[in-house]
Amino acid sequence: GQNIDQPTEMTATEGAIVQINCTYQTSGFNGLFWYQQHAGEAPTFLSYNVLDGLEEKGRFSSFLSRSKGYSYLLLKELQMKDSASYLCAVRERGNSGGYQKVTFGIGTKLQVIP
Amino acid sequence: GAVVSQHPSRVICKSGTSVKIECRSLDFQATTMFWYRQFPKQSLMLMATSNEGSKATYEQGVEKDKFLINHASLTLSTLTVTSAHPEDSSFYICSARDFGRGLLRSKNIQYFGAGTRLSVL
Repeated sequence: GQNIDQPTEMTATEGAIVQINCTYQTSGFNGLFWYQQHAGEAPTFLSYNVLDGLEEKGRFSSFLSRSKGYSYLLLKELQMKDSASYLCAVRERGNSGGYQKVTFGIGTKLQVIP
Repeated sequence: GAVVSQHPSRVICKSGTSVKIECRSLDFQATTMFWYRQFPKQSLMLMATSNEGSKATYEQGVEKDKFLINHASLTLSTLTVTSAHPEDSSFYICSARDFGRGLLRSKNIQYFGAGTRLSVL
C-alpha cells in the first residue's frame, strides 16, 4: 500500500513563491504526479516526475527525490487564480499483469491573498 | 492535450433509482479507465479500474453489484449506480490513461473528466 502526506492548507501572497511538499511511502514507486483541482471541478494535470530532479514548466516546477520519498511543487509569481487544491499522486509499479495503481494524497488547499 | 468527456455533470434522482454515468476519451484510445469518488474536503478514492473487453477490477470495500462498470469500447466506459441511496451522493470522476506517443509514451498520464455530482433524495 501507499501513504501520502501533504499539508492540508497553505496561504500565500499574490506575486510570491510557494512550495507545497509531499512525502510518500510505497512498495514499488513508478512515478509521481501533481494535479490542480478547483472546488467542484475535476483535477487537471500539472506535472510528472519519475527520475530525481527538477521538472520546470512555466510558473510551475516539480521536484523529486526517490531516496527520500519526497516531492515538492513550486509555484512562482502567484496569481489569484492559483487558489485551488493541489493533489500529489503516486503510481505503484504494476504486478505481473501490468496493473498500475495511482493513489492520491488528500490535497493541499492553497489560498492566494492580495 | 488529451481530453476526457464525462456526462452528465449533475444528477438529482430519487432513492431506489439507477443512474448511469458515461466517460469518453475524445482523442485517444483508452484500454484502461478509472472511476473515482470524492467526498467534500477529501481526496479522490479509487473505486474501480475499468478494462476494455474484460471485467472491472474493484477496490476493497466497493460493491461491484452496486457500481456496475462496462467498458465496451476503447473510448467509452460507463458507471451505473444501481438502486441509489442518499449515502451514494458524491462527486464521481472518471479518468483515462493516455499511453502517449513517442517521448510521452512512458508517462502514462491520467486525464480526468469534469466529474458528475450525484445527489440522491
